[in-house]
Amino acid sequence: NAGVTQTPKFRILKIGQSMTLQCAQDMNHNYMYWYRQDPGMGLKLIYYSVGAGITDKGEVPNGYNVSRSTTEDFPLRLELAAPSQTSVYFCASSLQGSYEQYFGPGTRLTVT
Amino acid sequence: RKEVEQDPGPFNVPEGATVAFNCTYSNSASQSFFWYRQDCRKEPKLLMSVYSSGNEDGRFTAQLNRASQYISLLIRDSKLSDSATYLCVVNGYNFNKFYFGSGTKLNVKP
Repeated sequence: NAGVTQTPKFRILKIGQSMTLQCAQDMNHNYMYWYRQDPGMGLKLIYYSVGAGITDKGEVPNGYNVSRSTTEDFPLRLELAAPSQTSVYFCASSLQGSYEQYFGPGTRLTVT
Repeated sequence: RKEVEQDPGPFNVPEGATVAFNCTYSNSASQSFFWYRQDCRKEPKLLMSVYSSGNEDGRFTAQLNRASQYISLLIRDSKLSDSATYLCVVNGYNFNKFYFGSGTKLNVKP
């Protein structure tokens, strides 16, 4: 099992560009999450999904969009990238809402 | 007030020492509590869940105090390999949303 995979591992964007961060899991988990982690800080929830077709906002959703068309995939879209979106982005999944979350290796994004 | 607060440390301890971390949370309705471990530039991984009755896993003991709204992690007989950042995680009013503390850094020295 690959677990949770994320692509790309690293990316540099110019201000105003857009991109999609990919996340996939092969554990048949219903719940999936996107977090961002700024240096020396904890993780902040951007968006989450409790199943295909269902998404909801987390703490810091502004500037991001998500979709969940399949159980396996949960892409995160950045529109009009800003320097404040420079961060490490982690995708996670869990079987149910209160269960252990499994994290992907992260995407390190720099916006200049 | 932050949902979850932790002492950032660092805690610098010698091998074999016992070290304890606390974490306070603001939502009295929270139901799920976890400690995650995060190595430098890596993803967080679950260390242990925290149950109302407390739980122990080898050298690690986690406890929950609902009255004072804090959870604790005790590490006995510290090893060099325990050096990491320990993240406290609690769910909010919406039980699907989780709040992470900013982490407590532990350095175990030879």
